[in-house]
Amino acid sequence: EDQVTQSPEALRLQEGESSSLNCSYTVSGLRGLFWYRQDPGKGPEFLFTLYSAGEEKEKERLKATLTKKESFLHITAPKPEDSATYLCAVFMEYGNKLVFGAGTILRVKS
Amino acid sequence: EAQVTQNPRYLITVTGKKLTVTCSQNMNHEYMSWYRQDPGLGLRQIYYSMNVEVTDKGDVPEGYKVSRKEKRNFPLILESPSPNQTSLYFCASSFMANTEAFFGQGTRLTVV
Repeated sequence: EDQVTQSPEALRLQEGESSSLNCSYTVSGLRGLFWYRQDPGKGPEFLFTLYSAGEEKEKERLKATLTKKESFLHITAPKPEDSATYLCAVFMEYGNKLVFGAGTILRVKS
Repeated sequence: EAQVTQNPRYLITVTGKKLTVTCSQNMNHEYMSWYRQDPGLGLRQIYYSMNVEVTDKGDVPEGYKVSRKEKRNFPLILESPSPNQTSLYFCASSFMANTEAFFGQGTRLTVV
């Protein structure tokens, strides 16, 4: 069965304390892996797309990486405004479907 | 402004009363989809559409219908809502199936 698993479920960091979120997947063919940020009461907001193993993308304090079985979202020196739920989604080769993980709730305290 | 617009934002209804949630996008995107979001389960795809008149089931299609008669609109229809369809619903669109998706603001549906 195609699955996308995110860990940890929740993460509390002090401002400036770097960490990583994990997204592991078991799907039959990958046509893209996406990271989204979701604030309470709002729709997900696009962060990154990764298409092949070894690919990396950066945006401000965030960096996403991809291997054949998992992706990491690295957060460097986070600030309170980085607090949100981070969602990983995988677009599968077969079926034209997007499968989301359950998300990681990040809280950054000042 | 590029956007995906859902209506209504909030809806309380009774079991069995047909309802429609509208979704419209102004970006000329080909791919549109509907999701429901429940605590602990994340976003699950209900239906998607590759283009006009082309729709297909996602992972949780039971109890829902969709139509894509125009490129910009993708309404979600609940013919006979039940309490287990109480959820937060999101519509999304993207240029192609495996490119970045733009999400609507969400519709919080309660079925009593």
